Amino acid sequence: AQSVTQLDSHVSVSEGTPVLLRCNYSSSYSPSLFWYVQHPNKGLQLLLKYTSAATLVKGINGFEAEFKKSETSFHLTKPSAHMSDAAEYFCVVVTTGNQFYFGTGTSLTVIP
Amino acid sequence: ETGVTQSPTHLIKTRGQQVTLRCSSQSGHNTVSWYQQALGQGPQFIFQYYREEENGRGNFPPRFSGLQFPNYSSELNVNALELDDSALYLCASSPGLASSYNEQFFGPGTRLTVL
Repeated sequence: AQSVTQLDSHVSVSEGTPVLLRCNYSSSYSPSLFWYVQHPNKGLQLLLKYTSAATLVKGINGFEAEFKKSETSFHLTKPSAHMSDAAEYFCVVVTTGNQFYFGTGTSLTVIP
Repeated sequence: ETGVTQSPTHLIKTRGQQVTLRCSSQSGHNTVSWYQQALGQGPQFIFQYYREEENGRGNFPPRFSGLQFPNYSSELNVNALELDDSALYLCASSPGLASSYNEQFFGPGTRLTVL
């Protein structure tokens, strides 16, 4: 079975400091992994995705994630947080049947 | 280009009633997927419609059903509502079956409250 575990339900950072949102996955094969962001009253937006190409994936708004098979991780990072980054973030694994399994989410707070 | 829209925005029903939620897909997209997002949880896949046929279903009972129309808009119907059906219902459209290669575009959701 495929699943993802988001290790932190809430993360708080100061504006201008690095962001790290952690995600571990469980899969019996090489998975496809996504990160989505959800702002209040807005639709989920794709930040970036890994589909077995380069292990370091760059996304929108300065976010990037690194696929580490040995650690079964796909952590999301950003060098410098901006106030507009405050939102809910979801790590997603996609099965061979193309079903999307979302993690429980990490709420990011950015402190001015 | 119009994005994915959903109606209504909010809905309040009582236990045992039936509800219909609507979704208009993004122009050029022939696939619609529905998700249920309970408070404090990630979205859970309900089912997907591709060219008017159901194509894939998550772990939801048959009282959750859907339709897709020739213009690729879609409806989610839930019968015999239960309190646990209270959630945000998300619709996503994609230019083909949702996959690692066909990006899904999500609507803002319909907030359903069951009393």
